[in-house]
Amino acid sequence: DAGVTQSPTHLIKTRGQHVTLRCSPISGHKSVSWYQQVLGQGPQFIFQYYEKEERGRGNFPDRFSARQFPNYSSELNVNALLLGDSALYLCASSHDGQYDQPQHFGDGTRLSIL
Amino acid sequence: QKEVEQDPGPLSVPEGAIVSLNCTYSNSAFQYFMWYRQYSRKGPELLMYTYSSGNKEDGRFTAQVDKSSKYISLFIRDSQPSDSATYLCATGDYSSASKIIFGSGTRLSIRP
Repeated sequence: DAGVTQSPTHLIKTRGQHVTLRCSPISGHKSVSWYQQVLGQGPQFIFQYYEKEERGRGNFPDRFSARQFPNYSSELNVNALLLGDSALYLCASSHDGQYDQPQHFGDGTRLSIL
Repeated sequence: QKEVEQDPGPLSVPEGAIVSLNCTYSNSAFQYFMWYRQYSRKGPELLMYTYSSGNKEDGRFTAQVDKSSKYISLFIRDSQPSDSATYLCATGDYSSASKIIFGSGTRLSIRP
């Protein structure tokens, strides 16, 4: 079975631009979460979606937004990019997002801001 | 103070050694605990998942949780060069099931 897939794998943008990252969850999983991982740090929670509804939000500015589609895939959007947004963006999926359903991660999108 | 503290290492041990990786956490509301392994340029891979104090074993890996002291450990027996990676501890609470709090990761290197 395919795992969590993310696209693109790498992306280079300049300050002030906008970016859209995409994620397809494991088949049968209805919950998708997004994390930001800065070099040398652990992942930080950004959003969780379940059945197209936002279920959780981390401590990130409003420049970050996301949505989930009827097929349970998801997009993360970041506006007005800053140098500090350079990071690995990870998507994780689970069956229903509850605590007894561990999250499985994709290999991420590496975003570089020049 | 970070909610989850983890020694960043790097930790270097010879092949075949027993490895001990540790984390502490500050919030007693945290009720479930995970260990992830992350190879360079890859996403985190779930190794162990538990929500009770005590030991949980899976092959060469043993996760240990002590809720009274807010201390979690991962032991790797008969370590192999392929175990060289960054190990991330993570935790969360039932009320905010979607939000996992990660430690900063420990870089482990197994010398052949």
